[in-house]
Amino acid sequence: QVHLQQWGTGLLKTSETLSLTCAVFGGPFSGFSWSWIRQTPGKGLEWIGEITHSGGTNYNPSLKSRVTISEDTSNNHFSLSLASVTAGDTATYYCARGSQESSSFPFWGQGTVVSVSS
Amino acid sequence: SYDLTQPLSVSVALGQTASITCGGSAIGSKNVHWYQQKPGQAPVLVIHRDTSRPSGIPERFSGSNSGNTATLTISRAEAGDEADYFCQVWDNRVYVFGPGTKVTV
Repeated sequence: QVHLQQWGTGLLKTSETLSLTCAVFGGPFSGFSWSWIRQTPGKGLEWIGEITHSGGTNYNPSLKSRVTISEDTSNNHFSLSLASVTAGDTATYYCARGSQESSSFPFWGQGTVVSVSS
Repeated sequence: SYDLTQPLSVSVALGQTASITCGGSAIGSKNVHWYQQKPGQAPVLVIHRDTSRPSGIPERFSGSNSGNTATLTISRAEAGDEADYFCQVWDNRVYVFGPGTKVTV
């Protein structure tokens, strides 16, 4: 069974860079798209961006200027970098695998709580 | 950007049927997916491509999609179905989630 394990810094100060990594176990890394999604009480679930099965990236226009998603195919990892964070970036961040059959997310990481303070 | 609307909350009696709607412009022309999320846990996919159930999801969960409304139906509601439910579509290269509906059993 596919399992996503994520980790990263949970406490940041304004203007710092958020960094999270997600490791994939129990299934292939190649051939799938890999996404980052965040959740806040106020804005709900917000898709941040993805790295596609071909290694290209696709970002939410609302965050595109600050986001970088990369992959390490040799270690079955992918990572999120979000620059110049503010309190508005405080959220629970999830990594997720896309589906080859549809535009859904069948597998999710456990979530990482990220808090940004001044 | 594409907007999705959901009722804030739905209540259902034990053993009865709950219907959760997801509204969007011509949503019937899109694939709609539904997630269940319990407190402190990651979302779980319960319906994909409007009507399909992933492996392990009970038959009590079903979906439909037509016109401007998609619907998730929970039949014979159980206490364990109490959760938040989110709809999701893909539009113009962006994955969009609905605001979520809290289902109380």
